[in-house]
Amino acid sequence: GNSVTQMEGPVTLSEEAFLTINCTYTATGYPSLFWYVQYPGEGLQLLLKATKADDKGSNKGFEATYRKETTSFHLEKGSVQVSDSAVYFCALSDIKASSGGYNKLIFGAGTRLAVHP
Amino acid sequence: DAMVIQNPRYQVTQFGKPVTLSCSQTLNHNVMYWYQQKSSQAPKLLFHYYDKDFNNEADTPDNFQSRRPNTSFCFLDIRSPGLGDAAMYLCATSRGLGNTEAFFGQGTRLTVV
Repeated sequence: GNSVTQMEGPVTLSEEAFLTINCTYTATGYPSLFWYVQYPGEGLQLLLKATKADDKGSNKGFEATYRKETTSFHLEKGSVQVSDSAVYFCALSDIKASSGGYNKLIFGAGTRLAVHP
Repeated sequence: DAMVIQNPRYQVTQFGKPVTLSCSQTLNHNVMYWYQQKSSQAPKLLFHYYDKDFNNEADTPDNFQSRRPNTSFCFLDIRSPGLGDAAMYLCATSRGLGNTEAFFGQGTRLTVV
């Protein structure tokens, strides 16, 4: 079945450090890929997305490129801030994996990021 | 300009006492979802509605039910909450056409005492 694998956390960085959170997926069909962020006690917010191979999603300094050949969607940011501390979830949706054309999201386990001054 | 609103944010219920969580949306999306997220885990889909068409995940316990009286509202009913049902419950919506993203509410944290 479809699945998403993320690097385990926590990831602890100093402010202005470079961030990479690895994400790989297994899917049939042609999934869209997403990164969601969850701040403490809150719901999930979409951070960025990519809908086809070689697409790059970007938002708030974060970016991720859909790599079909390596089935990966790694999240990167050049200079993290304390306010980026949160849990990051990689997810996929595959229209063929869901009934009636619904958008069924499959999440990775999440990676906690802690940024200190 | 909240688009997916969950009430309440925090809910405490007694073991075995039925509880209902609510979700409303202003996006006019066709699809509404309920996810369960236990501490430090990924959200797990319980079920979803496409309009009035209900779709249950195979491993969702019978203790969990849902109602969608109209496009804007969806309810999660837990008939007899156990201690293992303590979690964050997330409501989400999507247009349901192609690979569109889901929009999440802020969640309801359920505590069972």
